[in-house]
Amino acid sequence: DVKVTQSSRYLVKRTGEKVFLECVQDMDHENMFWYRQDPGLGLRLIYFSYDVKMKEKGDIPEGYSVSREKKERFSLILESASTNQTSMYLCASSGTGTSDSNQPQHFGDGTRLSIL
Amino acid sequence: SQQGEEDPQALSIQEGENATMNCSYKTSINNLQWYRQNSGRGLVHLILIRSNEREKHSGRLRVTLDTSKKSSSLLITASRAADTASYFCAPGTGGFKTIFGAGTRLFVKA
Repeated sequence: DVKVTQSSRYLVKRTGEKVFLECVQDMDHENMFWYRQDPGLGLRLIYFSYDVKMKEKGDIPEGYSVSREKKERFSLILESASTNQTSMYLCASSGTGTSDSNQPQHFGDGTRLSIL
Repeated sequence: SQQGEEDPQALSIQEGENATMNCSYKTSINNLQWYRQNSGRGLVHLILIRSNEREKHSGRLRVTLDTSKKSSSLLITASRAADTASYFCAPGTGGFKTIFGAGTRLFVKA
């Protein structure tokens, strides 16, 4: 079974801090994703990566950056944390498959981040 | 990629009953996926149905797809308390991104 591991289940940080959320997958997947999930808004894509050192902005990239130095690891960085970034953050990975089909995504259990 | 819209937003049933959730989308798709999310956890992939398929089964799950109506439904038969979760559909138009809707919250009463 694919395992996607997020480094922390719960995290509390202060406004203005630089925050790192780490995600590791063990299935040699090409694609990795970061989402945030807020009540009533569903999942919103922040960034995704389709290869090492490659990244693409999702729908809400402002205030975030990412790093993918190794295939199995995808990091989300909050450059200067603000209270409106308090949320549940979910990491996912998927294989590439064929170019015309969306592949199933495998999710970690999420990091509930609170910015005080 | 596009977003699916799940209906209803919330559903409450008794254990043993069937639960039906619907998904509508706007443009042509290559496939459609359904996911489940238990409270406080990540999403789990349930089933993928391709655009040339009309129905697919997996255990107590039955998914239908009507591309002419741009809709899909997920039926869970003989629901159990453990089926209490949020369910998301994800229409796929190719590419790397999958966009999730707000989901249907299912509550199964024991």
